[in-house]
Amino acid sequence: DTGVSQDPRHKITKRGQNVTFRCDPISEHNRLYWYRQTLGQGPEFLTYFQNEAQLEKSRLLSDRFSAERPKGSFSTLEIQRTEQGDSAMYLCASSEQGVSARETQYFGPGTRLLVL
Amino acid sequence: AQSVTQLDSHVSVSEGTPVLLRCNYSSSYSPSLFWYVQHPNKGLQLLLKYTSAATLVKGINGFEAEFKKSETSFHLTKPSAHMSDAAEYFCVVSDRASGTYKYIFGTGTRLKVLA
Repeated sequence: DTGVSQDPRHKITKRGQNVTFRCDPISEHNRLYWYRQTLGQGPEFLTYFQNEAQLEKSRLLSDRFSAERPKGSFSTLEIQRTEQGDSAMYLCASSEQGVSARETQYFGPGTRLLVL
Repeated sequence: AQSVTQLDSHVSVSEGTPVLLRCNYSSSYSPSLFWYVQHPNKGLQLLLKYTSAATLVKGINGFEAEFKKSETSFHLTKPSAHMSDAAEYFCVVSDRASGTYKYIFGTGTRLKVLA
């Protein structure tokens, strides 16, 4: 299967700890997105990469959050000093560069974070 | 600013009856609109998309949606519901204005299919 993969699928941590999530996009996709989905809500945009460049960050992404995509392939999302309000599903998506394809995003299964 | 509004948070239908999930959009541009489905513990799966071609869009699993500019709507329909259709459905608009094409999601409609 060559879809978007995310690791881990589940993470339980204690308040104040740091966590890191990984996303592996579809191999030929150069556009990568992170979203956050809380219970009963639709996903909300966090940040966007085109190749290795982080081109947009939502105001939802506080300074405790950092994302990287060092070689334009996989991406990591780190949350420092986690808070209970960070508990959510973190979704990664990727899309192609081409004009006709860039608007179709393919999503990974998500990482569900629970902060105790 | 672009947005989508899903008019029903929950919809219940009997198996074999039609499904209608409603979505209205707001956009300064000609929008690109999508419907995604999310089954429990699974990722978001694309059902169909509208990108300014035919206004009636056919998707997977028998779903279709019609883009109506005059009503700013993009409702999702299926003639006959199946038990496997029970899931959360999201209407989405792509943010063309930013150049990132990030998605703006509706709040979702949970579809329940009764036997």
